[in-house]
Parts: sequence; structure tokens; C-alpha cells
Amino acid sequence: EIVLTQSPGTLSLSPGERASLSCRASQSVSSSYLAWYQQKPGQAPRLLIYGTSSRATGIPDRFSGSGSGTEFSLTISRLEPEDFAVYYCQHYGDSRTFGQGTQVEVK
Amino acid sequence: EVQLLESGGGLVQPGGSLRLSCAASGFTFSSYVMSWVRQAPGKGLEWISATSGSGGTTFHADSVKGRFTISRDNSKNTLYLQMDSLRAEDTAVYHCAKGSGSLRPYYFDFWGQGTQVTVSS
Repeated sequence: EIVLTQSPGTLSLSPGERASLSCRASQSVSSSYLAWYQQKPGQAPRLLIYGTSSRATGIPDRFSGSGSGTEFSLTISRLEPEDFAVYYCQHYGDSRTFGQGTQVEVK
Repeated sequence: EVQLLESGGGLVQPGGSLRLSCAASGFTFSSYVMSWVRQAPGKGLEWISATSGSGGTTFHADSVKGRFTISRDNSKNTLYLQMDSLRAEDTAVYHCAKGSGSLRPYYFDFWGQGTQVTVSS
């Protein structure tokens, strides 16, 4: 079973700064099957990125995804107040494994 | 607009049962895989069950296999999760999630707000 490890656990940044989140897979995975979700307290998760780098409908272009093999990343170019949340990566190939999440908090 | 509305959660004793429902609207329900994903207090997301568009094929995570059963009624645009032999570790918010397609692989493009299930004596 593929294990996804996200780092850091918590990222403390200020609005306007750049956020870089990492998702490492325990074995090489197809980049076609890597997604990122955002979740705010008390809310449903929201799809941000699928296929490693494709933005979901309505997602601003400050969100971008990249990576291949075992190393994937989500970048938020300039943090807006509404971007402070928990972010999860997911591999949706043969399994539907989620990473443990990265919390982006206000510094 | 896609909407997913879960119901049926509550407080149940260990060993008890609950049936969750998810009412879907805004898309052709029978054309998409549907899943249940849960989130224990302070924890991350855990996929637990999925069903094909027709309902003829189902999958369950090892953590719930033999205790939980996913099903759907396409005439009612509703997804279900029958939960039996509940344990304290099943305490979580249960989200229904729409798959991006009818077959694997699929990501989850829409999610419901979730329904709380608490297993405690």
C-alpha cells in the first residue's frame, strides 16, 4: 500500500507570502493520479488540483501543483486570508490514500 | 450546482448500528462512482467505501470490511452506508464524496459537509 507523507505538518506564514507544501509517496506513483484538497474548519474538503497539476474548476491560478515519481508539491504563490486551511494530498490510482495533511496557519 | 447532503449520524453504543444517507442533486447520479470518506476527531481523511454507478460493484477499506456496507438507490439519487458492529474508533465525521468518473481511477470532485457519528457507551 502506498503511504503519502506530507511536510511540514504546520506552515506558519503571513498573507502575501509564498507557501510550498510537500507530499512524498512511499513508492513511485503515476503523476496522473495525484490530487490536492483544501479543508477549512467545519467545512467539506474542496478539490484544488488533480492529475498533479490541473486546477479544478474555479480554483485561482495562485494555486499550482507539480511533481513526479515520489515527490509532489503544492504551491500557493501569494497567500490570501482565505487560504489558511489544512491541505491534503491524495493518490487515486489503485488506492485512495490520503496524506496526513499540512496546516497553513497565520504567522 | 452539485449538492451532497448527508444525514443519519448520531450517538450509538458500541456494537450498535446506524445507516447514513447522502442525498445528491445537480448531476446524473447513476453515472458516477460515489464514496464515503471519514475524518476522526483531529485526524486526517480516510476513504472507507465506494460503489460503482450502477451499484453492482462495491469496495470497502480493510478497517470496515465485513461491518459496513455501501449501497445506492439511483431512483432516489441517494447513497447509503449501513454501519454495523460499531466501535469507538469509528467515531468520526462521515462525508459522502462524488467521484470524478464512472470507473477507476477517480478523484473526489465534490464533497458533502458530513454527518457526525459518535460511538460511546
